[in-house]
Amino acid sequence: AQSVTQLDSHVSVSEGTPVLLRCNYSSSYSPSLFWYVQHPNKGLQLLLKYTSAATLVKGINGFEAEFKKSETSFHLTKPSAHMSDAAEYFCVVSSRASKIIFGSGTRLSIRP
Amino acid sequence: DGGITQSPKYLFRKEGQNVTLSCEQNLNHDAMYWYRQDPGQGLRLIYYSQIVNDFQKGDIAEGYSVSREKKESFPLTVTSAQKNPTAFYLCASSMPRTGGTDTQYFGPGTRLTVL
Repeated sequence: AQSVTQLDSHVSVSEGTPVLLRCNYSSSYSPSLFWYVQHPNKGLQLLLKYTSAATLVKGINGFEAEFKKSETSFHLTKPSAHMSDAAEYFCVVSSRASKIIFGSGTRLSIRP
Repeated sequence: DGGITQSPKYLFRKEGQNVTLSCEQNLNHDAMYWYRQDPGQGLRLIYYSQIVNDFQKGDIAEGYSVSREKKESFPLTVTSAQKNPTAFYLCASSMPRTGGTDTQYFGPGTRLTVL
């Protein structure tokens, strides 16, 4: 069985400060992990994915995530938040033997 | 441009009516998916299709139906049997890889409101 937990439903940061969105997963098999971003009334856009290559994954718009097997985590980070980063972020887990599972989402707000 | 299109963007339905949401992709992907999204929740899988003329129920298929007559198209019908159809509906597609997991690409969504 597999599952994914996004530890924060809402994160608020000031513009120019670091962003940390937390995601923990469980999987019986070697998982693939994804982060998607969704702006209001839009579809989901792929930010980055981990598929058993390098554990530090760089994505679009300055985001990156680190796969930590010992902690079963795949947290999303960005060094400096921009107003355009305000959106909903979804952590997703998938494996060869199981279907794709979406986290419940984290809403990121950016304060001017 | 390659991508996934969904239409209409907004859809209003009276109770008791069936409505069909369109999803088209020109990515040459074999697999297509329909998800439902409610406020404060993640996505829930309604139906998926791995190949033309074949589809499987997801976690919340009751009150919905689909068809997959063409590789490019995967329309979703919301029937009157769906008790709470007001939601944001997302279509996705992927190219499943043997022995690996696939990346799903999403359309812009259709917001359905029942009046």
